[in-house]
Amino acid sequence: DIQMTQSPSSLSASVGDRVTISCRSSQTITTFLNWYQQRPGKAPSVLISAASNLQSGVPSRFSGSGSGTDFTLTISSLQPEDFATYYCQQSYSTPYTFGQGTKVDFK
Amino acid sequence: QVQLVQSVAEVKKPGASVKVSCKASGYNFMRYGISWVRQAPGEGLEWMGWITTYTAKTFYARKLEGRVTLTTDTTTSTAYMELRSLRPDDTAVYYCARREDTNMVTFMDVWGQGTTVTVSS
Repeated sequence: DIQMTQSPSSLSASVGDRVTISCRSSQTITTFLNWYQQRPGKAPSVLISAASNLQSGVPSRFSGSGSGTDFTLTISSLQPEDFATYYCQQSYSTPYTFGQGTKVDFK
Repeated sequence: QVQLVQSVAEVKKPGASVKVSCKASGYNFMRYGISWVRQAPGEGLEWMGWITTYTAKTFYARKLEGRVTLTTDTTTSTAYMELRSLRPDDTAVYYCARREDTNMVTFMDVWGQGTTVTVSS
């Protein structure tokens, strides 16, 4: 199975901050990498597919980059509604494993 | 609108089985697969498997193989996840999600609201 490792596991930030979350896969997954956001008590929702494709309706302050084994999710200017947990997931091969999550909370 | 509506919460004893339903509406059920993901209390997301609605071909996470069965009823646009021989560590919120699969890009674009399954004696 492909292992997905996110860093950091949690971070504290303020509204307006630039936030970067990293995700590394244990083997190459080209760009078969998705990012999801999960707010407390809610189902996850997709932000980015194929490493860098912003999904319809997702604010442009979110962006994704990377290929191979190293990927990044960036929030250019953190907004109050962005305080949540973020997960990367590989869709290169089954099982489609998730990273352990990165919780973004108030500084 | 496109939505997936899941069945209500369940409480089961160890060793029992549970069957969670996921009813789709607002789109052509046969054009998309259905994935299942679970989340134990305070933990991250765990991919369980997925099913092609057109051919009913299934793909399971290795750790659940033998205990989990995914099915669909195309007449009612409903997907089902059955988990057998339940253990306390199966206590989790179970989500179904629509699998988008276009130009080799695969992700889960519509999610159900989640079904809490509690396994306790």
